[in-house]
Amino acid sequence: NAGVMQNPRHLVRRRGQEARLRCSPVKGHSHVYWYRQLPEEGLKFMVYLQKENIIDESGMPKERFSAEFPKEGPSILRIQQVVRGDSAAYFCASSLNPGQPQHFGDGTRLSIL
Amino acid sequence: ELKVEQNPLFLSMQEEKNYTIYCNYSTTSDRLYWYRQDPGKSLESLFVLLSNGAVKQEGRLMASLDTKARLSTLHITAAVHDLSATYFCAVDHMEYGNKLVFGAGTILRVKS
Repeated sequence: NAGVMQNPRHLVRRRGQEARLRCSPVKGHSHVYWYRQLPEEGLKFMVYLQKENIIDESGMPKERFSAEFPKEGPSILRIQQVVRGDSAAYFCASSLNPGQPQHFGDGTRLSIL
Repeated sequence: ELKVEQNPLFLSMQEEKNYTIYCNYSTTSDRLYWYRQDPGKSLESLFVLLSNGAVKQEGRLMASLDTKARLSTLHITAAVHDLSATYFCAVDHMEYGNKLVFGAGTILRVKS
C-alpha cells in the first residue's frame, strides 16, 4: 500500500543543466499536484494534472518549467536550464478525486551549484 | 484570490505551557488543513476541518474552525519537546481547482 513516491530524494545540478523530478501517485489516484517550497517558506502550488491533461498550471513559471502525467508511468516535472533560484524542495501530492484530501510524497530537494 | 495568513511565524514555547497558532484565510474555503513538517521531511497531515464549529483533537493538539470569521486555531496544551516542528495551515476550494493554498508556516520550538 505504497503512498506517493518521489525520486530522486536529492538532486544536484549545475546551472544550465536540466532537472527531471518524478512522482508516482498513490495507486488508483489520477490527480497529481506539484508544489514548490523555497527555504523557510510555505509550499506554493505549481501545477495540477489529471492523466494526460494539465488542468491548472497557473503557479508554474512560463519558461523553462514543464510537467506531464502520461497514461503510463509517473508524473514528471522538468526544469530546463536550471538557475540558482530553482533550488528548493519540490513536493508532489495525489488524490483520488479533486475534492479528496491530497497525499504528499517525501519531496525532491533540488540544489543548483 | 485565496490567501492564507498564519501568526505567529515563530513561537518559542516553554514546556507544560499552553499556546495557540492562528490561521486566517481570505475567502470561503471547502476545507482547512493543518500539517506538521519536521526539518527536511515531508508534510504530515494532522487535521482536516470541514464545517463551521468543527473541533478535532489529537493528543496535545486541538484544531477548531470558525468559517464565519474565516479563522482556524491550533491549540497546544502543555507543550512538550516532541512538538517542535513547523506547522502549516492550508485551505482549498473547488473554485480554485482544489489546489492547496498554504500559510507561511509557524516554527515551534519547545525549550527544555
